Order: sequence, then C-alpha cells, then structure tokens
Amino acid sequence: SYVLTQAPSVSVAPGKTATITCGGDNIGKKAVHWYHQKPGQAPVAVIYYDNDRPSGIPERFSGSNSGNTATLSISRVEVGDEADYYCQVWDRTSDHVIFGGGTKLIVL
Amino acid sequence: QVQLVQSGSELKKPGASIKVSCKTSGYSFTTFTINWVRQAPGQGLEWMGWINPNTGNPKYAQDFTGRFVFSFDTSVNTAYLQISSLKAEDTAVYYCARSLGSSWSDYWGQGTLVTVSS
Repeated sequence: SYVLTQAPSVSVAPGKTATITCGGDNIGKKAVHWYHQKPGQAPVAVIYYDNDRPSGIPERFSGSNSGNTATLSISRVEVGDEADYYCQVWDRTSDHVIFGGGTKLIVL
Repeated sequence: QVQLVQSGSELKKPGASIKVSCKTSGYSFTTFTINWVRQAPGQGLEWMGWINPNTGNPKYAQDFTGRFVFSFDTSVNTAYLQISSLKAEDTAVYYCARSLGSSWSDYWGQGTLVTVSS
C-alpha cells in the first residue's frame, strides 16, 4: 500500500520559514493536501491540491510537489502556528485516502 | 454555513457496540462524500473509509472491515459510524469529514471520543 513519510518534528524560530516535507513514491503525480491540527481540535486544511489555500488561510502558507517529495512551507512563522501537520493523498490504485504520520511543528 | 456536528463522548465496555452520528447542515448532503477518520490517543490521523450518500456505496480501509459499518439517513442529513464488538484498542477520537469525492476534506466534525474500558 502507498506510504507517506513525514519527519516526527520540525523546530523553527519565530519569524523564520518552516519547511515540512512529505515523502512518497512519485508523489509529484498525486494531488497533495495538508492539514494542521492543534491539541484538542479537529484538523483544518491549510493547503489543497498541492498549493491552493482555503479561504481564511494566510498567504504565509504555501505548498509544492515534485518527484518524491511534497513540501509545506510556512513563512514568517508565528507561535500560533505550532501544531501537528499532516499530508494526505488519494491513492488511485487502492482507492484509499492516505495520511502521513504527521509532523509536530515546534516554534522555539 | 456548513456544519458537521457529531454526537458526544461515550464510555463503553469491551464487547459492546456504538453508533456515532455526524449531523450535517448548510449544504446538499448527497453532493459530498463523508469520510471517517480515527485518531488514537497521541497518534496520527488514520482514514477509516468513506460513504457516498448519493450512491450509498461505502469504502472501508483495510484495517476497518468487519466490525465497522458506515451508514446514513438522508431524511435527517446524518451519517453514522457503527462499531461492534468494541475492544480497548478502539479507544480513540473519531472524526467525520466531508469531501468532494476523493478530494480534500474541507469541513470536519468536532470529533467523538470513544473510550472502551471495563
């Protein structure tokens, strides 16, 4: 089955750019969606279809997807961006939705 | 506005059954697929499967066949997740989330905590 790989945690200083990656076999050929989840809350989409932002999500959030890696970038990171971030794809072969294991963003 | 409102937390004994509801409003219920996602304590998101209220067809992820059943009632715009023969390892927060087919989930329920303990 298709597997998405994320680093368990990423640390970044406020004001800097955070980069969160999601690895998968030829993931560049799939549509990647990103969610963040704060403690005790439901996930919220921050990027869909590789690099589109839902309404209400700041322009500081952007995405890219090529080859075997999709990337979520958060510029000018704020303390409020601390959350778990999950990538998600739909695998056509299995007709299953797949989530990455999640990356905890730590704002130092 | 679009809302998905789930039923409240439940404490169940091993072997019991449970039915979690996801009441939707603010959109045409049959236009969107309802996904079910499990999150065990301290763990990540795990897609359980989905059901299409237009076709009635459910799809179950590999680990969620047998004891798990998705259903819906269009008269009340509500989707349901039923779990039978509950085990301690079913303890988790269960989310419903709508998506347009296999696309991203733009609205999520608030989650339902199911605790299985004797």
